[in-house]
Amino acid sequence: AQSVTQLDSQVPVFEEAPVELRCNYSSSVSVYLFWYVQYPNQGLQLLLKYLSGSTLVKGINGFEAEFNKSQTSFHLRKPSVHISDTAEYFCAVSEGDTDKLIFGTGTRLQVFP
Amino acid sequence: NAGVTQTPKFQVLKTGQSMTLQCAQDMNHEYMSWYRQDPGMGLRLIHYSVGAGITDQGEVPNGYNVSRSTTEDFPLRLLSAAPSQTSVYFCASTRGVGNTIYFGEGSWLTVV
Repeated sequence: AQSVTQLDSQVPVFEEAPVELRCNYSSSVSVYLFWYVQYPNQGLQLLLKYLSGSTLVKGINGFEAEFNKSQTSFHLRKPSVHISDTAEYFCAVSEGDTDKLIFGTGTRLQVFP
Repeated sequence: NAGVTQTPKFQVLKTGQSMTLQCAQDMNHEYMSWYRQDPGMGLRLIHYSVGAGITDQGEVPNGYNVSRSTTEDFPLRLLSAAPSQTSVYFCASTRGVGNTIYFGEGSWLTVV
């Protein structure tokens, strides 16, 4: 069965510093990988996704993620964060033949001035 | 451009009451699903549908029913509400495998 692990429940960081949010998954078949962002009291918005091809994926708001098959990881990075990036970030995986998403437990990114 | 619309946004129920959370999408998506979000647990799949007339269970289906009579609508029914169903519920839709999944803005449900 698939599972997604987000090792950090909270990540505090100062504005303009770089950040990495970690995500590891387990699956016995090929997967699609996603990062979603949730701002307070709102729904989820897609940041980026990996389906195939280049392992470095660029998304919205300056975020990028790298798919590492050997380490079964899909870490999210941003070189310089802003106060407006404060939100909850969810990593998710779906197996290649289904649209059902399995979510991680989320990482709350708190950006301080 | 409405996307995925959920109603109501907030609801308080008494234990044992029943209610329906409505979900509608205007993107002609075949795939629709319901998730619940609880603190520290991420989002968990309740039920999903791959097209009108077809539904299946997700990870946490107990206490919930769904139906899909049209492509646009995918209501979630709580037959006899329990405090354990206090949660935030999200409806989602997508064109298909690998495509972006669009989420509604959520329905906050409290069962007392």
